Amino acid sequence: DAKTTQPPSMDCAEGRAANLPCNHSTISGNEYVYWYRQIHSQGPQYIIHGLKNNETNEMASLIITEDRKSSTLILPHATLRDTAVYYCIVSRINAGKSTFGDGTTLTVKP
Amino acid sequence: DAEITQSPRHKITETGRQVTLACHQTWNHNNMFWYRQDLGHGLRLIHYSYGVQDTNKGEVSDGYSVSRSNTEDLPLTLESAASSQTSVYFCASSDRTGYGYTFGSGTRLTVV
Repeated sequence: DAKTTQPPSMDCAEGRAANLPCNHSTISGNEYVYWYRQIHSQGPQYIIHGLKNNETNEMASLIITEDRKSSTLILPHATLRDTAVYYCIVSRINAGKSTFGDGTTLTVKP
Repeated sequence: DAEITQSPRHKITETGRQVTLACHQTWNHNNMFWYRQDLGHGLRLIHYSYGVQDTNKGEVSDGYSVSRSNTEDLPLTLESAASSQTSVYFCASSDRTGYGYTFGSGTRLTVV
């Protein structure tokens, strides 16, 4: 599986959009980008995934660059409850196992 | 509703003891995984299984074992607990549709 690079921490003002970047320059053609988040000491929670098209669900939007070497997770209106560690992972869709790095700690401030 | 449960939530054990952490899922997922998370760090894969009777080693498998006798359960055994195995352990499951992992709530293990 390709490795990913994320900034260790980011801040965002409550109500603003949070844009979390991820670099995955060695991604293969059959690998998807997945995002998870972990709030405090809970188990990580799946957010969204995509291959090459932009994706949106009730939680977030995922923007993948045309060359697929980077992506951005967008939380459109961040709330204090979005404060968490966000993990970007690259994996084949049926590969099963995934490697989690240290992620980005997002702090949403009032 | 389907769920994935881990037990116990907290465990304190002594060095050298054998410990088994339970993971049970009712999603009917083929894939199951065990990760450990040390304070302030990401998750590291211990063992994983793609189905009944299938088990595979992850990046930090030394001192751990798993067995998969049915779809629902993947118990994690620490053969002889060491202080270095003090950590939070997460179990996860997934199917083959690609919609990500479902994680349990974790087991906090302390080895004294």
